[in-house]
Amino acid sequence: NAGVTQTPKFQVLKTGQSMTLQCAQDMNHNSMYWYRQDPGMGLRLIYYSASEGTTDKGEVPNGYNVSRLNKREFSLRLESAAPSQTSVYFCASASTRETQYFGPGTRLLVL
Amino acid sequence: KQEVTQIPAALSVPEGENLVLNCSFTDSAIYNLQWFRQDPGKGLTSLLLIQSSQREQTSGRLNASLDKSSGRSTLYIAASQPGDSATYLCAGFSGTYKYIFGTGTRLKVLA
Repeated sequence: NAGVTQTPKFQVLKTGQSMTLQCAQDMNHNSMYWYRQDPGMGLRLIYYSASEGTTDKGEVPNGYNVSRLNKREFSLRLESAAPSQTSVYFCASASTRETQYFGPGTRLLVL
Repeated sequence: KQEVTQIPAALSVPEGENLVLNCSFTDSAIYNLQWFRQDPGKGLTSLLLIQSSQREQTSGRLNASLDKSSGRSTLYIAASQPGDSATYLCAGFSGTYKYIFGTGTRLKVLA
C-alpha cells in the first residue's frame, strides 16, 4: 500500500498562474482533506470531502477549488495563484472518526 | 467552535528524561483525539488515536490520555531519545468530519 500520495512535491508559480495539486489514497477511506501549513499558523483546513461526491469548505477556502474525482482521488486547484498562497499543502484521508493519514506534502512558492 | 492549544510551544530536554506534552481543547464533545509527529520538511505521522470512550492509549514508550471533562489530553514520552526530536501535534475531531489542529510542540532531546 502506498498510503496517501501527492503530486507534485515542489512547485514554483508566478502570480496569476493556475495549477492543480493531486492526491490519491489506496486505503478505501471515505473522507479526504486538504490542509495548508504555514509557520506559526499550524495546519488549517482548506476543503474536505466526507464521502465520494461531496465537498465542503474548511477554515480557509478562498482562492481554492476542489474535486473529489472518485473515492481514491481528491484534487485541489488554484485558479489564479497569489503570493499569500505560498505554503506547504497536505492531503489526508481517514475512515469516519478514525486515524487520519497524511501525504508527504507539496511545497508551493508563488512569486 | 473547537479550539486546540498546545503548551509549551517548544521544549528542550536531556536524553533519558520522561516528559509530558499538553493539549487543551474547548469543546468537550469531541469524538476522538489524535497525536501526530512531524519531522522537519516531512508530513505528519500518526502516533496514537484516543476515541471518546477511551481514557488512554499506549504504543511503546508513548502514552496518551484523554480527559474530556477538563478538555485536556497529554502525551507522555518515557525515556526520551534524540530520535524523538520532532514537532508533536494534537488534533481533535468534533464531528462534521473536521479535525482541528493545535500549533504543535517542538521537542529537542539532547544527547
